[in-house]
Amino acid sequence: AQKVTQAQTEISVVEKEDVTLDCVYETRDTTYYLFWYKQPPSGELVFLIRRNSFDEQNEISGRYSWNFQKSTSSFNFTITASQVVDSAVYFCALRAAGNKLTFGGGTRVLVKP
Amino acid sequence: EAGVVQSPRYKIIEKKQPVAFWCNPISGHNTLYWYLQNLGQGPELLIRYENEEAVDDSQLPKDRFSAERLKGVDSTLKIQPAELGDSAVYLCASSEYMNTEAFFGQGTRLTVV
Repeated sequence: AQKVTQAQTEISVVEKEDVTLDCVYETRDTTYYLFWYKQPPSGELVFLIRRNSFDEQNEISGRYSWNFQKSTSSFNFTITASQVVDSAVYFCALRAAGNKLTFGGGTRVLVKP
Repeated sequence: EAGVVQSPRYKIIEKKQPVAFWCNPISGHNTLYWYLQNLGQGPELLIRYENEEAVDDSQLPKDRFSAERLKGVDSTLKIQPAELGDSAVYLCASSEYMNTEAFFGQGTRLTVV
């Protein structure tokens, strides 16, 4: 069985503050893929990043960065210098054996001006 | 390149009526997913297709839900009869391979009254 847990249901910050979203996953498979998606108020899920289980390098893309730690089964996401446009619900997801894509419950980020 | 297309965007029906949702995945994507998303929650898998074969439908309430993917391209999800608890957003997604990200359509928001 596979499971994704996003313990933070909602985070509120003031613009320009950094915000970190936690994601903890469970799987027995050695080969798996982790994803982050953004769901703005318009509703469409937008892909942000994919990570495979053999690549623990952290990644930075503009104001976004991701920290993958297999030892703690975590794949955390940080938004640096947040902006109002970052307000959305963010989902962490796991795809393991059998190609099943499982999502966490999501974290709502509210960035206030 | 066109993304995943879903129709309709919104649907309001009375309980006990039938309803159908349509999805056109990205060209060349073999895997197609239907997800259910309740308000404030993460997407939950209903059914997954690999080409025209339904390989994971364990979460599909088969007494009232059905799906098909003819010729391994477009897919239709049907509910008959609809119940009040079926009110949710129905998301379709597609991916090329297991190790690639899934792309989502804008979803169909169903309201059963």
